[in-house]
Amino acid sequence: DVKVTQSSRYLVKRTGEKVFLECVQDMDHENMFWYRQDPGLGLRLIYFSYDVKMKEKGDIPEGYSVSREKKERFSLILESASTNQTSMYLCASSLLQSNQPQHFGDGTRLSIL
Amino acid sequence: QQPVQSPQAVILREGEDAVINCSSSKALYSVHWYRQKHGEAPVFLMILLKGGEQKGHEKISASFNEKKQQSSLYLTASQLSYSGTYFCGTDPPGGGADGLTFGKGTHLIIQP
Repeated sequence: DVKVTQSSRYLVKRTGEKVFLECVQDMDHENMFWYRQDPGLGLRLIYFSYDVKMKEKGDIPEGYSVSREKKERFSLILESASTNQTSMYLCASSLLQSNQPQHFGDGTRLSIL
Repeated sequence: QQPVQSPQAVILREGEDAVINCSSSKALYSVHWYRQKHGEAPVFLMILLKGGEQKGHEKISASFNEKKQQSSLYLTASQLSYSGTYFCGTDPPGGGADGLTFGKGTHLIIQP
């Protein structure tokens, strides 16, 4: 079974802090994704990556950056956290072809105070 | 632009059927369906591709009307385990493995 592991289940940070959310997958998937999930809004794509050191903006990239130094690891960075970034963050991975399912991690519930 | 899902919520008795719809304003290459239970990760149900290919669980059925840019998920003889929030995710033309654009979800409650 595919395993997508997010480093923290719950995280509390302060406004202005630099925040790192880590995601690791164990199935040698080329694609990795970061989504945020908010009540009533569904899942919205922040960034994705189809290869090491490659990144593409999703629908809501503002205030975020990403890093993919190794194939199995995809990090989401909040450069200067703000309260409107309080949310559930979900990482996913998939094989490169577009007819492949995405496999999600359990999510990180991030609160910015 | 997010696809529109309908209904937003539905309550059923065990054994009843449900249809969840997903409609996009853009041309689509594929539609993905996921189910999420409270506090858990979304779980893959099905992919429907332009041209008719489908991939997913045997007990789930769905349709994809490419011309209308719509997909429907059919849940027959519902079980208590079907409860959760269902999301459709759409993939634009080009077929590249970009991230999905998800709808806002349909909440399904199955009562005994």
